[in-house]
Amino acid sequence: DQQVKQNSPSLSVQEGRISILNCDYTNSMFDYFLWYKKYPAEGPTFLISISSIKDKNEDGRFTVFLNKSAKHLSLHIVPSQPGDSAVYFCAASANNQGGKLIFGQGTELSVKP
Amino acid sequence: EPEVTQTPSHQVTQMGQEVILRCVPISNHLYFYWYRQILGQKVEFLVSFYNNEISEKSEIFDDQFSVERPDGSNFTLKIRSTKLEDSAMYFCASSRLGTDTQYFGPGTRLTVL
Repeated sequence: DQQVKQNSPSLSVQEGRISILNCDYTNSMFDYFLWYKKYPAEGPTFLISISSIKDKNEDGRFTVFLNKSAKHLSLHIVPSQPGDSAVYFCAASANNQGGKLIFGQGTELSVKP
Repeated sequence: EPEVTQTPSHQVTQMGQEVILRCVPISNHLYFYWYRQILGQKVEFLVSFYNNEISEKSEIFDDQFSVERPDGSNFTLKIRSTKLEDSAMYFCASSRLGTDTQYFGPGTRLTVL
């Protein structure tokens, strides 16, 4: 099931700089998108979401951008901090599918001091 | 801050045995979910549950799996006869509405020997 793809398995960024994590999807029925952060041996922690009626949502250091025509979303973290080092998953859902989330493969972010 | 809890954190079982994984969703949430993550793979949707009924299930969720809300607080996943390939992290999640953000528990690591 490749409906949600994160093509970069890893990303390394210097502390204080911007981290940009990317996600592509193929299903045009998706109308809600989320980013989760995950540490080893823990459950996914919700970060930020965006509805398909918007193209940007911001929460503190985190901003999600949605480009519906390109079926692409991105998560920007500014400024990046060492505590942001984790695996980041994007996920998508369609209104008529009982809340089912489809996850990407994840991108491991490493923020170096 | 309310959170989803799961027990046990780690379950080891013999192939062919039944296991029950337990979850306590966030108290005012109405929708409940199970996901799993096999080591090195994506987080995969198993089932969603609302109003004492399954709303949606994946092809993974075959007759060996069942879910139940036995009382007002617990939500369980039963695997009737475990197989080696059932070894994974199992995550419970809940949301207030079906279109809302899902909050995940810390997971149960199931090891089938």
